Amino acid sequence: EADIYQTPRYLVIGTGKKITLECSQTMGHDKMYWYQQDPGMELHLIHYSYGVNSTEKGDLSSESTVSRIRTEHFPLTLESARPSHTSQYLCASSPRTGRGTQYFGPGTRLLVL
Amino acid sequence: GQNIDQPTEMTATEGAIVQINCTYQTSGFNGLFWYQQHAGEAPTFLSYNVLDGLEEKGRFSSFLSRSKGYSYLLLKELQMKDSASYLCAVRGGAANDYKLSFGAGTTVTVRA
Repeated sequence: EADIYQTPRYLVIGTGKKITLECSQTMGHDKMYWYQQDPGMELHLIHYSYGVNSTEKGDLSSESTVSRIRTEHFPLTLESARPSHTSQYLCASSPRTGRGTQYFGPGTRLLVL
Repeated sequence: GQNIDQPTEMTATEGAIVQINCTYQTSGFNGLFWYQQHAGEAPTFLSYNVLDGLEEKGRFSSFLSRSKGYSYLLLKELQMKDSASYLCAVRGGAANDYKLSFGAGTTVTVRA
């Protein structure tokens, strides 16, 4: 199973601030994903990457951006946070080969005031 | 697009059996996953089916019928710690598409 880390775990920030949510994994997985999940609701894919220098937007439109400069690191950035960005953000990764099982990090709970 | 349906809530008694159904309509099929998610935590992988039939793993079993677009997760000998949301997810699309589409989840409450 993947070791995947997210920081911060909780973040309260004011409107208009720039924030970066960090996600790192130590298993050498080439595929990484960002999901947004509101309480009691389904996971929505907002970004994914199948390798270094490769990023794609997911099914849910998002004002965030991502980068993949190193295999193990997949940060998500919001240039100007708004209250509508309040949510839980989950990062996941899956290995190069196999069935595509995704392993999730602990998540970041974001509250924008 | 992908359409995945599962019941919103189920309640069962400790020691009993609960079956959570999932129906899906996807463009392409490369496997179906079940995840468990406790409140406030991240999803954890439970099971995977890509061929028709039953996969058993301890107290949990998962079944798939590709022709019917149907799966279920069977939880036996329910324990209080099984109270959680159970997510059905499908890997659709082309063979080199690894994105998962998730259902809204079924909240299972286990009563003493």
